[in-house]
Amino acid sequence: AQSVTQLGSHVSVSEGALVLLRCNYSSSVPPYLFWYVQYPNQGLQLLLKYTSAATLVKGINGFEAEFKKSETSFHLTKPSAHMSDAAEYFCAVSDHGGFQKLVFGTGTRLLVSP
Amino acid sequence: DAGVIQSPRHEVTEMGQEVTLRCKPISGHDYLFWYRQTMMRGLELLIYFNNNVPIDDSGMPEDRFSAKMPNASFSTLKIQPSEPRDSAVYFCASQAPAGKYNEQFFGPGTRLTVL
Repeated sequence: AQSVTQLGSHVSVSEGALVLLRCNYSSSVPPYLFWYVQYPNQGLQLLLKYTSAATLVKGINGFEAEFKKSETSFHLTKPSAHMSDAAEYFCAVSDHGGFQKLVFGTGTRLLVSP
Repeated sequence: DAGVIQSPRHEVTEMGQEVTLRCKPISGHDYLFWYRQTMMRGLELLIYFNNNVPIDDSGMPEDRFSAKMPNASFSTLKIQPSEPRDSAVYFCASQAPAGKYNEQFFGPGTRLTVL
């Protein structure tokens, strides 16, 4: 089965600083990869997705992620953090047998200080 | 569109009681997913349906859990009898049929506390 590993359960940045959230995947087939964001007391919302097209994927709210096959990574970045980016971020990979079944990482909580 | 609707938003019950969680997917979506989120285990897929038919229930933890989708606009997740370890946030998500790379839209979740 495919899996993802998110390094760091918490990441703290200052407002205006670079955001880097790490995700590594394990897959025996070309994966489909996703980043979701969860704001407090809300469901998950899709930020961006990689589906074997361009390796650099741009998402909502200024986030982007780069698929690097050689490193089996799909790290999420944003050049300048905003207070409203404070949330939990989940990396996910589609499991064998179909796009629909997603396997989520354990999540990374992003803290943004003024 | 109102998005995925879940009810109740919060449920507090006592051990041994039956609990029923409800979900209304986005109209026109033909995939429906039930997830459970806990601090210890993160976000787990419990079961998913396609066109009201259960496709994969390998994530359902045990026989105390059951899910149904009697029609395209309604699904339930039932726990009977409930136990304290079932305390978690339960999410429902739905996905459209058109295309291959559609996203899953999540509801706001039901926070279940079993005392």
